[in-house]
Amino acid sequence: EIVLTQSPGTLSLSPGERATLSCRASQSISSSYLAWHQQKPGQAPRLLIYGASSRATGIPDRFSGSGSGTDFTLTISRLEPEDFAVYYCQQYGTSYTFGPGTKVDIK
Amino acid sequence: EVQLVESGGGLVQPGGSLRLSCAASGFTFSNYEMDWVRQAPGKGLEWVSYIGSSGNTIYYADSVKGRFTISRDNAKNSLYLQMNSLRAEDTAVYYCARGGYCTGGTCYYLNAFDIWGQGTMVTVSS
Repeated sequence: EIVLTQSPGTLSLSPGERATLSCRASQSISSSYLAWHQQKPGQAPRLLIYGASSRATGIPDRFSGSGSGTDFTLTISRLEPEDFAVYYCQQYGTSYTFGPGTKVDIK
Repeated sequence: EVQLVESGGGLVQPGGSLRLSCAASGFTFSNYEMDWVRQAPGKGLEWVSYIGSSGNTIYYADSVKGRFTISRDNAKNSLYLQMNSLRAEDTAVYYCARGGYCTGGTCYYLNAFDIWGQGTMVTVSS
């Protein structure tokens, strides 16, 4: 099973700041089948990024994904108030696993 | 509007059974693989089960294998999860999610998990 580790566990930032979230896999993820999901309290997850770097439909361009192999990054260029949430990475190249999440909260 | 709506959750005693449903609308259900994902209270996301577009290919997480059964009815645009021998650790919100798109015998799943239902809560407690 591919294990995903996310860091940091919590990121405390102010609106307008840049957020950089990391996801590391225990083994290489085939064909960059790495996604990022956003989840707000009481809501279902929402797909932000798929294929490591492609934005899902309707996702603003302040969200970007990068990386390959075992190291991936989600960057939010300038945090908007609605971006404070929990972010999960997910690999779907070999079965499916989710990372434990990174909470982005307001500083 | 593309939508998934789960139902069937509730309170059940340990050892009991429950059947979840997921109604799909706004897209050609039979062209898509589907998954169930759960989230225990205050915890992260856990993939539970997968079913291919025709229902012929099925996978389960080890934590539910032998106890849960995934199925689908493409004529009714519906996905199901039959849960037996329920345990306290199965307590969670259960989400259905759209998987890969299949056409002409080939499935494309680069943007899988692009649509999620709102979830249905399952509580296993005496």
